[in-house]
Amino acid sequence: DQQVKQNSPSLSVQEGRISILNCDYTNSMFDYFLWYKKYPAEGPTFLISISSIKDKNEDGRFTVFLNKSAKHLSLHIVPSQPGDSAVYFCAASAYSNTGKLIFGQGTTLQVKP
Amino acid sequence: DTAVSQTPKYLVTQMGNDKSIKCEQNLGHDTMYWYKQDSKKFLKIMFSYNNKELIINETVPNRFSPKSPDKAHLNLHINSLELGDSAVYFCASSLEGGEQETQYFGPGTRLLVL
Repeated sequence: DQQVKQNSPSLSVQEGRISILNCDYTNSMFDYFLWYKKYPAEGPTFLISISSIKDKNEDGRFTVFLNKSAKHLSLHIVPSQPGDSAVYFCAASAYSNTGKLIFGQGTTLQVKP
Repeated sequence: DTAVSQTPKYLVTQMGNDKSIKCEQNLGHDTMYWYKQDSKKFLKIMFSYNNKELIINETVPNRFSPKSPDKAHLNLHINSLELGDSAVYFCASSLEGGEQETQYFGPGTRLLVL
């Protein structure tokens, strides 16, 4: 039973445009969400996070939106750059789970020059 | 300076062998984790340790045994390796292992069991 789902395995956008990566979850106990970026042959690198008490968090070109009622979050990258090409993982944790992160299966983003 | 390091990066071995993967973090964190990324690319937690004490132990075969000699190290020993153990294993660490903490990952160990 996959509690965190990224239904788009891949996404291709033009440099300078907006990239929108989506993530859905089923567990209403999740209260903290993170996005990680992963290049080939490297470990996931933390990108941005959001607590369930917020609906938006912004860090430079990256913004995460959380819609609790829809159990949906999205990562916006604007403007997209070729160096953003990577696999993006959504992850979630619940207060009761003491640090346990549940990951989605990832979305491969390709930004074309 | 690498924050979370793992050795080896690649490991090719025969079925039935016993192998260990080492992980070290120099971030001063109290909590360390092992994750497995399978062929479907899902990252799933296996274990976590807080200051050498086992905190999370997911449904993992008991052929897998984590060992934490100190809070900066968390090693993973695997007995009687099976074909299905082939995966990428990631070590991670976080400050205290508590709520709403960022976990920092190592580069991964690619294990191939033949």
